[in-house]
Amino acid sequence: EVVLTQSPDFQSVTPKEKVTITCRASQSIGSSLHWYQQKADQSPKLLIKYASQPFSGVPSRFSGSGSGTDFTLTINSLEVEDAATYYCHQSSSYPQTFGQGTKVEIK
Amino acid sequence: EVQVVESGGGLVQPGGSLRLSCAVSGLIMSNYWVSWARQAPGKGLEWVANIKQDGSQKYYGDSVRGRFTISRDNAKNSLYLQMNSLRAEDTAVYYCAAAGLDYWGQGTVVTVSS
Repeated sequence: EVVLTQSPDFQSVTPKEKVTITCRASQSIGSSLHWYQQKADQSPKLLIKYASQPFSGVPSRFSGSGSGTDFTLTINSLEVEDAATYYCHQSSSYPQTFGQGTKVEIK
Repeated sequence: EVQVVESGGGLVQPGGSLRLSCAVSGLIMSNYWVSWARQAPGKGLEWVANIKQDGSQKYYGDSVRGRFTISRDNAKNSLYLQMNSLRAEDTAVYYCAAAGLDYWGQGTVVTVSS
């Protein structure tokens, strides 16, 4: 099973700041890494597919990069509405797995 | 607009069974893999299962394999999850997701308790 480890677990950030969340895989997964945003009491929403492809309708301040075992989600100029928990997910091998989540709080 | 709507959750005793349903609209479901994921109270996301376009391939998470069965009816644009031998640790919000995990529903709550 591929283990995904996100860092940090929690981040408190001021609006307009840049946020960087990393996801490390226990083995190489190519580019089969996806990012989701889950706001309080809502279902997850896809942000980035295959490491760097923005999903339809996602604001341009969200971007992804990486391949192999190391991946990054970047939020440029954080907005108040971006307060949420962010998860990475791999679809390279079964069982598919998620990272433990990174909670982003607005200061 | 793609819409995903789950139903069938509820309270069930340990060892019992439950069948979840998911209705998908706004896309041709027969063109896509579809999936179930879950989230225990206060916890992170857990991938549960997925099924190929024609139903010929099915995959399961380790914690549910042998107890849960995923199926689909493309004519009805619907996905199902038959859950047997339920345990307390299966208590969670169950999400259906279309096109892999591109589009998610609002979830249905399953509580396993005596």
